[in-house]
Amino acid sequence: DVKVTQSSRYLVKRTGEKVFLECVQDMDHENMFWYRQDPGLGLRLIYFSYDVKMKEKGDIPEGYSVSREKKERFSLILESASTNQTSMYLCASSLWGVYGYTFGSGTRLTVV
Amino acid sequence: AQSVAQPEDQVNVAEGNPLTVKCTYSVSGNPYLFWYVQYPNRGLQFLLKYITGDNLVKGSYGFEAEFNKSQTSFHLKKPSALVSDSALYFCAVRDGPYGQNFVFGPGTRLSVLP
Repeated sequence: DVKVTQSSRYLVKRTGEKVFLECVQDMDHENMFWYRQDPGLGLRLIYFSYDVKMKEKGDIPEGYSVSREKKERFSLILESASTNQTSMYLCASSLWGVYGYTFGSGTRLTVV
Repeated sequence: AQSVAQPEDQVNVAEGNPLTVKCTYSVSGNPYLFWYVQYPNRGLQFLLKYITGDNLVKGSYGFEAEFNKSQTSFHLKKPSALVSDSALYFCAVRDGPYGQNFVFGPGTRLSVLP
């Protein structure tokens, strides 16, 4: 069974901390994505990557960075966590073409 | 630019009744349309997709969706709702196979009442 695995289901961090959210896929997908999900706002794209060491800004990149050193791993970094970054974070991956996304189970991050 | 609208925040239906969750879209080229479902504290799961071909597509758990090009709609349907169908449903669109990333609608919460 193909999988996208997010390292943590729940995280609680303090304001100002540097936070790493990890995502690993075992499907050899070229494309990987990070979204945040907030009530009433749906899914908003933070960053995405079409290849190793490649990254593109999504709709809301401010306060975030990403790293993709290997094809299967895409990390989201909160440089200095703030309370307005409390959210559900979803990682997804896909192939090019007619395929949709495969999502991880999500990480619910609370910044206190 | 592509966009997706889900005009209803919430849909309530009695168990055993048919259900419809609405989606309209806007793309400049050929739409690739998807429906996803999200259960509490989980990621999104694929339900069905329309790429080309028959306008009525069938997917997981007895769901189906009808593509209507003239109305730019892709409504999700099920003939007989189950309480276990209660979840958050997202419609997503992409402009062809090599278009920009998928754009997701805001989601519709479906509640099936016993």
